[in-house]
Amino acid sequence: RKEVEQDPGPFNVPEGATVAFNCTYSNSASQSFFWYRQDCRKEPKLLMSVYSSGNEDGRFTAQLNRASQYISLLIRDSKLSDSATYLCVVGRTGANNLFFGTGTRLTVIP
Amino acid sequence: GAVVSQHPSRVICKSGTSVKIECRSLDFQATTMFWYRQFPKQSLMLMATSNEGSKATYEQGVEKDKFLINHASLTLSTLTVTSAHPEDSSFYICSARGWGDPDTQYFGPGTRLTVL
Repeated sequence: RKEVEQDPGPFNVPEGATVAFNCTYSNSASQSFFWYRQDCRKEPKLLMSVYSSGNEDGRFTAQLNRASQYISLLIRDSKLSDSATYLCVVGRTGANNLFFGTGTRLTVIP
Repeated sequence: GAVVSQHPSRVICKSGTSVKIECRSLDFQATTMFWYRQFPKQSLMLMATSNEGSKATYEQGVEKDKFLINHASLTLSTLTVTSAHPEDSSFYICSARGWGDPDTQYFGPGTRLTVL
């Protein structure tokens, strides 16, 4: 089973729409959780960390459910500039590296 | 935020040649650097982890004699793809982690390698 699994996508939404991405992780020892954004042919960039209490940054809201090993990202009022691939990323105690999901491609349509 | 650079950003080479990619942390000392590879429409796959002054730890299936990693200082790691073949064509991305923030990795802009 993959360490991190995401919605396959792609998601094509109109400007102004609300879109949600989901992600599950397999290892209960996972301790840190992130959403990264990757534009085409570019490196991933940290969008936000995800905490158990949930966190919000402007139009973006991330939530973590440790019991279900589930992470979500909600984007409200989508902008054209939100078009990118969103990567669910998990880190765990005792592992140096991060584990990446395959990403979900979002295209916001005018 | 912390800045990581990679050089070159793009390289095209003939099959059988070796290619060196540099990864530098510009404004912080990186305790650990990571090398990833990303094929089209796939996720980042960790190739190896390197700590300054010690041998790199390679992931299963990654040939250490083919992908040579040197981490000579706290700000520089290099990946050399030896005897490159067309199947090595990929997007190679490094990341670096510093002392004060062990959970965060800062990514370089990546190097696109095309082997003809």
